[in-house]
Amino acid sequence: SQQGEEDPQALSIQEGENATMNCSYKTSINNLQWYRQNSGRGLVHLILIRSNEREKHSGRLRVTLDTSKKSSSLLITASRAADTASYFCARRLTGRRALTFGSGTRLQVQP
Amino acid sequence: DVKVTQSSRYLVKRTGEKVFLECVQDMDHENMFWYRQDPGLGLRLIYFSYDVKMKEKGDIPEGYSVSREKKERFSLILESASTNQTSMYLCASSRQGETQYFGPGTRLLVL
Repeated sequence: SQQGEEDPQALSIQEGENATMNCSYKTSINNLQWYRQNSGRGLVHLILIRSNEREKHSGRLRVTLDTSKKSSSLLITASRAADTASYFCARRLTGRRALTFGSGTRLQVQP
Repeated sequence: DVKVTQSSRYLVKRTGEKVFLECVQDMDHENMFWYRQDPGLGLRLIYFSYDVKMKEKGDIPEGYSVSREKKERFSLILESASTNQTSMYLCASSRQGETQYFGPGTRLLVL
């Protein structure tokens, strides 16, 4: 796929556990962004990481970027039932104005 | 507080009808986007606009057109709706290369 891959496609964990989602891409990027989507809703921006950054944090979220491996990961620590949602990574490819989204990871956090 | 609104949450149309989906943002963003979202395919870019009256085709523009006469409003037009255009349509806006803000989505059913 030109978009790259996200894995896993689905993830089910217990409340309190950590959740890790991965995103890979195939061409160079300016930045990579993670979004969250609750069922049937629009997407909400979580974190943006630029190509010259390696790690960013926001509350319980930690995003890493490895440009040599063309991959990123999103870690949600101490997950809560309210974290149940789909998570998408979006790449801003070099030379493109728009973002390229993957097909997402569906996270289910069991109370 | 940023806001992107879409004219309808749910829409039912008949094959061959002309369909207008409206999107309005109140953040004075240059860029506006239309995506469609289908199960297992993630978000796919239909069209985007980087200025008033300016537009670029996305990955799946066939069967769609767009209009941006004012900075805050971006319309998606299905000239002759077909059943394979049944989908969730998401509008977003952003400043250059940055975070995208999404509307709540329009779920379109074409019978």
